[in-house]
Amino acid sequence: EADIYQTPRYLVIGTGKKITLECSQTMGHDKMYWYQQDPGMELHLIHYSYGVNSTEKGDLSSESTVSRIRTEHFPLTLESARPSHTSQYLCASSDRLGMDTQYFGPGTRLTVL
Amino acid sequence: AQSVTQLDSQVPVFEEAPVELRCNYSSSVSVYLFWYVQYPNQGLQLLLKYLSGSTLVKGINGFEAEFNKSQTSFHLRKPSVHISDTAEYFCAVRRDDKIIFGKGTRLHILP
Repeated sequence: EADIYQTPRYLVIGTGKKITLECSQTMGHDKMYWYQQDPGMELHLIHYSYGVNSTEKGDLSSESTVSRIRTEHFPLTLESARPSHTSQYLCASSDRLGMDTQYFGPGTRLTVL
Repeated sequence: AQSVTQLDSQVPVFEEAPVELRCNYSSSVSVYLFWYVQYPNQGLQLLLKYLSGSTLVKGINGFEAEFNKSQTSFHLRKPSVHISDTAEYFCAVRRDDKIIFGKGTRLHILP
């Protein structure tokens, strides 16, 4: 079983609030990812990191930002939440030896009112 | 660019019947292919992967998939499904050090 955690699992928040979605893994993986998933749609990569102090934007444009100060921690921040940010956010990590087999956290379901 | 197409958005099947979930990929180079499963209210979990070697890949929970280069397919099969197999299944391909996912197929198990 993968040791990757996300908090909170569910979040309902008003427009304009700043939020941070937490993601931590205890597997020592270098690579970490954030995906956005809407019902019936594929996962869209919004951010990734190949190690400490490395962050890149993914294929889907997102107003969120990420940081990677520690190997195990990869938080995602929205400075001002809007209803269009309502979605499920999935965090994942992988190592080079497993040919990028990704291990996923349980996800955070975000609703912005 | 590499991508995957899952031909069915939903597949209903009776309990204990066989099932096949279809996946086609587009690529002109060597591919690494994956199937992931997502149970309700959970993240994705790896079912199986094809990197090289035998074209028949066995995964967890009795699932298997066959890599077919000539048909550019990587269909997922199980000979007898159980109610606990109710989930969303995602086919994926590795591209440029990242994983590209299909839109998913929802498997409905009928009693």
